[in-house]
Amino acid sequence: GQQVMQIPQYQHVQEGEDFTTYCNSSTTLSNIQWYKQRPGGHPVFLIQLVKSGEVKKQKRLTFQFGEAKKNSSLHITATQTTDVGTYFCADMNSGYSTLTFGKGTMLLVSP
Amino acid sequence: DTGVSQNPRHKITKRGQNVTFRCDPISEHNRLYWYRQTLGQGPEFLTYFQNEAQLEKSRLLSDRFSAERPKGSFSTLEIQRTEQGDSAMYLCASSSGVQVAEAFFGQGTRLTVV
Repeated sequence: GQQVMQIPQYQHVQEGEDFTTYCNSSTTLSNIQWYKQRPGGHPVFLIQLVKSGEVKKQKRLTFQFGEAKKNSSLHITATQTTDVGTYFCADMNSGYSTLTFGKGTMLLVSP
Repeated sequence: DTGVSQNPRHKITKRGQNVTFRCDPISEHNRLYWYRQTLGQGPEFLTYFQNEAQLEKSRLLSDRFSAERPKGSFSTLEIQRTEQGDSAMYLCASSSGVQVAEAFFGQGTRLTVV
């Protein structure tokens, strides 16, 4: 079945530094969604990417979908302590019936 | 609160017992998903309903697991003859599936099998 790989598994940065997490698949992804899960919380939707080469921005967050639709990335500029959490990418199949998650990247931000 | 509601929030059970969890999705959402999450892992898909029809079920799902969504509203997930390996957070999510298929997750039910 579809597998979504995420790297790195964990990253610890100082507040103000940038952060990037990468999502890769050996097969073409349908729709990439990104979620954030705070410690002890549940996944919260951030964004959906559908088109090849798509780039979307939300304030300090930049999301990209690769040209071949086999990879995606999330970049956070100038991290803040409120960015702490685990960031997951997930592939939503075209029928909206399954959402396959990567293992996530845990981000820790020190003040 | 109009979000996804799950009950109970925590459940401790002895091995071999049956447990049932409930999920109340956002009222206008026709798509409902169950996931399982263990520490350090991403949510793992279990099953999917569109209205009252169960359309997808993970091949990894043991036949001890069964889910229902009568009348296309709330859903229940039952685990029979629980095993220690069933200990996990069980997450329910719902979606309207219109254009952006954003999944709204509930707070989850944390199951501990002792």
